[in-house]
Amino acid sequence: GAVVSQHPSWVICKSGTSVKIECRSLDFQATTMFWYRQFPKQSLMLMATSNEGSKATYEQGVEKDKFLINHASLTLSTLTVTSAHPEDSSFYICSAGRTGSSYEQYFGPGTRLTVT
Amino acid sequence: QQQVKQSPQSLIVQKGGISIINCAYENTAFDYFPWYQQFPGKGPALLIAIRPDVSEKKEGRFTISFNKSAKQFSLHIMDSQPGDSATYFCAASAAGGYQKVTFGTGTKLQVIP
Repeated sequence: GAVVSQHPSWVICKSGTSVKIECRSLDFQATTMFWYRQFPKQSLMLMATSNEGSKATYEQGVEKDKFLINHASLTLSTLTVTSAHPEDSSFYICSAGRTGSSYEQYFGPGTRLTVT
Repeated sequence: QQQVKQSPQSLIVQKGGISIINCAYENTAFDYFPWYQQFPGKGPALLIAIRPDVSEKKEGRFTISFNKSAKQFSLHIMDSQPGDSATYFCAASAAGGYQKVTFGTGTKLQVIP
């Protein structure tokens, strides 16, 4: 149990276009989902926390208008990178917190975004 | 105060040896300390976790040692295998933090035959 999927697993897009990444908890409900960004050989950097049915909370320095997050249901959160630029190229990872648990959090396999 | 410091940055261990990774934290509100294993191009996977009410937790070849007074915890991998070669992250979270996790900087482990 406790499987989190991400789609797509990798995507290449042109500069100026928008890309949507989906994060799904497959076998549990997740009131809270998290979006991370990871650069090569670095740790995970939390971008934002999304709660089902409410606005996401963004970490300091993360542009909320550029990284749009929607958490429409207890099993789905989406991250849309708007007007993508080459510097947005990165590995994006989501995680889902099991509803009712203070600690349980499960990570998706990640999405590799390359902006050309 | 939210930082989790991790060392070493990289580690090379011979097959069959013991791998030791250390972490330290400052925020006394942290009360859950997981370790994650990440292979290249994959998301992190929970390896083992500990609460501060115990000083040690063992699962197979993986052991967490926890020192509450020193605010330090470590991961020991016994009988290290080449398949253990990965990046390991320590982390910490607080019950009141709504599952938000603070990660360490990561340790790249290489187990050589």
